Amino acid sequence: AQSVTQLDSQVPVFEEAPVELRCNYSSSVSVYLFWYVQYPNQGLQLLLKYLSGSTLVESINGFEAEFNKSQTSFHLRKPSVHISDTAEYFCAVSYIQGAQKLVFGQGTRLTINP
Amino acid sequence: DAGITQSPRHKVTETGTPVTLRCHQTENHRYMYWYRQDPGHGLRLIHYSYGVKDTDKGEVSDGYSVSRSKTEDFLLTLESATSSQTSVYFCAISDITSGSGGSYEQYFGPGTRLTVT
Repeated sequence: AQSVTQLDSQVPVFEEAPVELRCNYSSSVSVYLFWYVQYPNQGLQLLLKYLSGSTLVESINGFEAEFNKSQTSFHLRKPSVHISDTAEYFCAVSYIQGAQKLVFGQGTRLTINP
Repeated sequence: DAGITQSPRHKVTETGTPVTLRCHQTENHRYMYWYRQDPGHGLRLIHYSYGVKDTDKGEVSDGYSVSRSKTEDFLLTLESATSSQTSVYFCAISDITSGSGGSYEQYFGPGTRLTVT
């Protein structure tokens, strides 16, 4: 069965510092990978996704994630964070076959301090 | 933003009472999902639907039922609410689209905060 582990439940960083949010998944077959963001009191929004091709994927607001098949990881990074990045971030995975269902990690709360 | 609404947005109810949450979409997507979000657990799938009158259980379906009589509406019912069902409930929709690359990206509603006293 699929599972997703987000290794840090909370990550505090200072504004303009780099950040990495870690995500590992378990699956013996090919998967799609997603990062979702949830701002306070809102629903989840898709941040970025890996389907195939280049292992480095980027979002429009400066986040990037790298798919590492050998380490079954999909870590999210940003070189310089802003106060507005304060949110909870969820990693999710689906099988390519039967891709209609997502399995989510437990979430990482990113707090940006001025 | 995907056209997904949830109603009510907030509800307080007493143990033992029935509760129905509604999800409405305007995107004509085939798949609809109900999740619950609890601290430390992320999102957990309750039930999902792959078409009108076609539903299946998720990982935490006990105590919940669903119905989908129209493409646009997906109802979640707690037949007899318990305090353990206090949570934030999210509806999501998905389908293969021209921009999804073959994946079923899910789009989420704003959520319903349910408190069972």
